[in-house]
Amino acid sequence: AQTVTQSQPEMSVQEAETVTLSCTYDTSESNYYLFWYKQPPSRQMILVIRQEAYKQQNATENRFSVNFQKAAKSFSLKISDSQLGDTAMYFCAFMKRTGTASKLTFGTGTRLQVTL
Amino acid sequence: GAVVSQHPSWVICKSGTSVKIECRSLDFQATTMFWYRQFPKQSLMLMATSNEGSKATYEQGVEKDKFLINHASLTLSTLTVTSAHPEDSSFYICSARDFGRLRQETQYFGPGTRLLVL
Repeated sequence: AQTVTQSQPEMSVQEAETVTLSCTYDTSESNYYLFWYKQPPSRQMILVIRQEAYKQQNATENRFSVNFQKAAKSFSLKISDSQLGDTAMYFCAFMKRTGTASKLTFGTGTRLQVTL
Repeated sequence: GAVVSQHPSWVICKSGTSVKIECRSLDFQATTMFWYRQFPKQSLMLMATSNEGSKATYEQGVEKDKFLINHASLTLSTLTVTSAHPEDSSFYICSARDFGRLRQETQYFGPGTRLLVL
């Protein structure tokens, strides 16, 4: 079974600064996906970024980038130029890549507060 | 693209009644949808995997007779909470699996349904 660990329950960052959220996972699989989802106060889950395990290059999406260290099983999220709208709960998630329905395994989340 | 809707967003019902929640993929076809439950300040807990045209697969500890799932078309899955009780009050979220133009498997989530059973 896969496990996903987010060791930072809460974090705070000032507007325009950079913050990094950590995520580690445990799996014996070699072929999988990793995701960061954001859940703002509206509770809508929004995909922030995805990474395929076979790709060495770190994924980026505008102000969001990841540091994927496959050997260390680490998948941190960096948010640059933080904005007030980034205030949300952030969940790291693992998906095993199979031929059938693939389940997401979520971490416990990190609550990020962006302040003025 | 990859928009998922959920209806209703809010429902209040009396104990003993049944409640149906709909999950629709608006701009793509989803052979597989998922139903989650989220308690306050907690992560998402997968309840079941909904497969179009076949029976749902339930996670351990989830009562299939209590939480009926129907995935009758490629864009619609429904979750019916039967004989609801106060302990069923929760936030229910669905997701739909999409592969997109680049064949990258991703789950896209609906906005959730808040259920309150009195």
